[in-house]
Amino acid sequence: DAKTTQPTSMDCAEGRAANLPCNHSTISGNEYVYWYRQIHSQGPQYIIHGLKNNETNEMASLIITEDRKSSTLILPHATLRDTAVYYCIVVANAGKSTFGDGTTLTVKP
Amino acid sequence: NAGVTQTPKFHILKTGQSMTLQCAQDMNHGYMSWYRQDPGMGLRLIYYSAAAGTTDKEVPNGYNVSRLNTEDFPLRLVSAAPSQTSVYLCASSLQQGDTQYFGPGTRLTVL
Repeated sequence: DAKTTQPTSMDCAEGRAANLPCNHSTISGNEYVYWYRQIHSQGPQYIIHGLKNNETNEMASLIITEDRKSSTLILPHATLRDTAVYYCIVVANAGKSTFGDGTTLTVKP
Repeated sequence: NAGVTQTPKFHILKTGQSMTLQCAQDMNHGYMSWYRQDPGMGLRLIYYSAAAGTTDKEVPNGYNVSRLNTEDFPLRLVSAAPSQTSVYLCASSLQQGDTQYFGPGTRLTVL
């Protein structure tokens, strides 16, 4: 499975959009981009995933570049409860998930 | 649905003792997995099972699993070592590669 690179930490003002980047330059054609988040002392929670098209759900939007080498998770109106570690992973169909260290997002009032 | 449940939430072991961490899911998922998470680090896959009756390991010895049915995937520490102090997370998905649903974790300390 392809590896991903994410910034170690980011800050965001409450009410603003949080844009979390992820680099996956070695992604293969059959690998999906998944985003999870982990709030302190809890298990990771699924946010969104995509293959090549942009995706949106009630939690977030996922923008994948045309060459699929990077993506951005967008939380449109960040709240204090969005403070968490965000993991971007790439997973092949029927493949295993490899989690990196993620990005610690701190939403500030 | 309860989702993925794990017991216990916390436990302290002495070096050399054995213990079984419990994991159960009620979503009829075929794929289950165990991760460990050391402080400030990401998740590391330890064991996984694609279906009842099958298991595969990702890391060297020190752990055992069984998958006798679809619902349960217990993780056994055979002879605990301080290096196994960690948070253990269990997850399930419909099949390998699909969206994973995680339990709340078991925080294990080995003295």
